[in-house]
Amino acid sequence: GQSLEQPSEVTAVEGAIVQINCTYQTSGFYGLSWYQQHDGGAPTFLSYNALDGLEETGRFSSFLSRSDSYGYLLLQELQMKDSASYFCAVFTYNQGGKLIFGQGTELSVKP
Amino acid sequence: DAGVIQSPRHEVTEMGQEVTLRCKPISGHDYLFWYRQTMMRGLELLIYFNNNVPIDDSGMPEDRFSAKMPNASFSTLKIQPSEPRDSAVYFCASSLLGGAEAFFGQGTRLTVV
Repeated sequence: GQSLEQPSEVTAVEGAIVQINCTYQTSGFYGLSWYQQHDGGAPTFLSYNALDGLEETGRFSSFLSRSDSYGYLLLQELQMKDSASYFCAVFTYNQGGKLIFGQGTELSVKP
Repeated sequence: DAGVIQSPRHEVTEMGQEVTLRCKPISGHDYLFWYRQTMMRGLELLIYFNNNVPIDDSGMPEDRFSAKMPNASFSTLKIQPSEPRDSAVYFCASSLLGGAEAFFGQGTRLTVV
């Protein structure tokens, strides 16, 4: 089966940097995705890592180490609007590609 | 494209009634996923389709749940009979070529009383 672990909640202040870690166990692993979900909204795609290393997209970066079954999402220059839940999701391929989500990390950004 | 469209947005029903949730994926996307989200269990994958064919329904909790995709632009998730523990937000998502970027609809908030 699959399992993912990420912290349940993180608090940080505006302008700061925060890192949300994710460890996973799965078969048929292809890559790790990150999604953001605001209260009452739908999950939206942030990033995807198929290879080891860092991917940067504006203020957000995501990292993957396949040998350690570990990844993280790095959010820089935090803004109040970044308060949301962040999910890591393993992308696996077996008879088709599918995403299995972690439990999510609730990020609270304080003034 | 308007994105993934789900209906209804909210559904309140009595225990024992049949509930049908609907989804229109993004045009051209060949994968469609149904997820259920609750506080306790997070985002669970229920079933997914590739080119209208169900690929993996191992996440469907019970026989009371069924899903169909009669064509590339429409899918339904049916619960019959519904129970209070089915109360959750149900999301439909679609992706192209089964990629890691899935586009989610706004969800259907189901309450079974």
